[in-house]
Amino acid sequence: GDSVTQMEGPVTLSEEAFLTINCTYTATGYPSLFWYVQYPGEGLQLLLKATKADDKGSNKGFEATYRKETTSFHLEKGSVQVSDSAVYFCALSEDAGGTSYGKLTFGQGTILTVHP
Amino acid sequence: SAVISQKPSRDICQRGTSLTIQCQVDSQVTMMFWYRQQPGQSLTLIATANQGSEATYESGFVIDKFPISRPNLTFSTLTVSNMSPEDSSIYLCSVSGRGRHGYTFGSGTRLTVV
Repeated sequence: GDSVTQMEGPVTLSEEAFLTINCTYTATGYPSLFWYVQYPGEGLQLLLKATKADDKGSNKGFEATYRKETTSFHLEKGSVQVSDSAVYFCALSEDAGGTSYGKLTFGQGTILTVHP
Repeated sequence: SAVISQKPSRDICQRGTSLTIQCQVDSQVTMMFWYRQQPGQSLTLIATANQGSEATYESGFVIDKFPISRPNLTFSTLTVSNMSPEDSSIYLCSVSGRGRHGYTFGSGTRLTVV
C-alpha cells in the first residue's frame, strides 16, 4: 500500500536558518503530493501541493518539488521565522478519478521549533 | 473550496458511553473522510464515506466501534462507541475536490475519555 516517510524530528533552528524536511513516498500509481501545517492549537492547513512529476509547489516562502525519480517531495525554506514553528505533515493521494482526490496518506509529522 | 462545520469542537466523556460527531459541508461532495489524530501522532484514516453506500473502513477500524452515517451529499456523522481512554484523540472530517486546495478539513473534535 501507499506510505509516506518523513525525517524524524523534532527540528530546532535559529531564526533565518535554512530549513529542509525530507519526505519520501511509496505509491502504486502517480499520486498527488501535499505538505500540510498544523500550528499550535489550530487545525490542519494546506501549505502547498504538486500533482505531477517536476511540479514545484510554493507558498509563504516554502517550496517542494515533486521528484518522481527519487520518489521525494522535500520541503524547503530559505529563511525560517519564529512564526513557522509548527508540525509539518507530508501526504499523498492517489487519484480517485472524476472531480475528487482519493484518501490522504500522511507521514508521521515533523515538529519544527524556531528560536529568535 | 468547501467550508466544513464540525461539531462538537471538544468533549469530555465517561468511559463506556458514545459520542456522535457531525460534519456539515456548504456544498455537495462525493467523498468524505474521517481521520483520527492520537496525541502527538499523525493522522490516520478511519473510513471513507460515500453517499448512498456503506462506509469503507481502513484496517484496524470496524463499523461496530465507529459507525458512520452519510444521509446526503452535504452531511456525515461519526460515532465513537463504547469509549475507553484509548479513544482520546482529535477526530477530523475532510472532503476532497479538484479545486485549488484539493482537500478541506473540519476544525476537529478533541475528545477526552475519562
